Amino acid sequence: GESVGLHLPTLSVQEGDNSIINCAYSNSASDYFIWYKQESGKGPQFIIDIRSNMDKRQGQRVTVLLNKTVKHLSLQIAATQPGDSAVYFCAENKGNKLVFGAGTILRVKS
Amino acid sequence: DAGITQSPRHKVTETGTPVTLRCHQTENHRYMYWYRQDPGHGLRLIHYSYGVKDTDKGEVSDGYSVSRSKTEDFLLTLESATSSQTSVYFCAISESETYGYTFGSGTRLTVV
Repeated sequence: GESVGLHLPTLSVQEGDNSIINCAYSNSASDYFIWYKQESGKGPQFIIDIRSNMDKRQGQRVTVLLNKTVKHLSLQIAATQPGDSAVYFCAENKGNKLVFGAGTILRVKS
Repeated sequence: DAGITQSPRHKVTETGTPVTLRCHQTENHRYMYWYRQDPGHGLRLIHYSYGVKDTDKGEVSDGYSVSRSKTEDFLLTLESATSSQTSVYFCAISESETYGYTFGSGTRLTVV
């Protein structure tokens, strides 16, 4: 079946460096993508979204890039901080449901 | 999480017993969802609702039922709990099917 996946299960970065978390999706008809952050013991928290008519969207310290040609999504976090340590999920909106990837663990080293 | 609460937060139950988890929202959102989260599987959709009394199955619906008699409440029932249903359950809400979801804090269910 169609699914949303991630290239790297764990990413370790030094505090202050930029982080890039990648995601591949398989459904070329998907038109809406979301990144979520989940801290230990909490529910997923919305970070940023992007629609398929865009290839880039920026938020506060975060940028999402969408490459529809290769069906690839990435989340860039600038100046990574210890509070950014969490699991990050990409999700693809197919109709009225979100399909999530397995997640990438981001560890920030001080 | 603002506007959405799950209860209970933790529950331990015995195999074969019925269990009901509750999701309550104060946002008046039309769409509500139940997910389960397990290591190595991410978040998987159990059931969802697109309005009062309107529900449908997700990818892992076997062994679960839901009810939505009011806009604000979405109940998930395990008619006869099994050990394979030990998991963390998340409820989510959305005002539109083309917007992101807001998740609750989760219910950790252990079936012994």
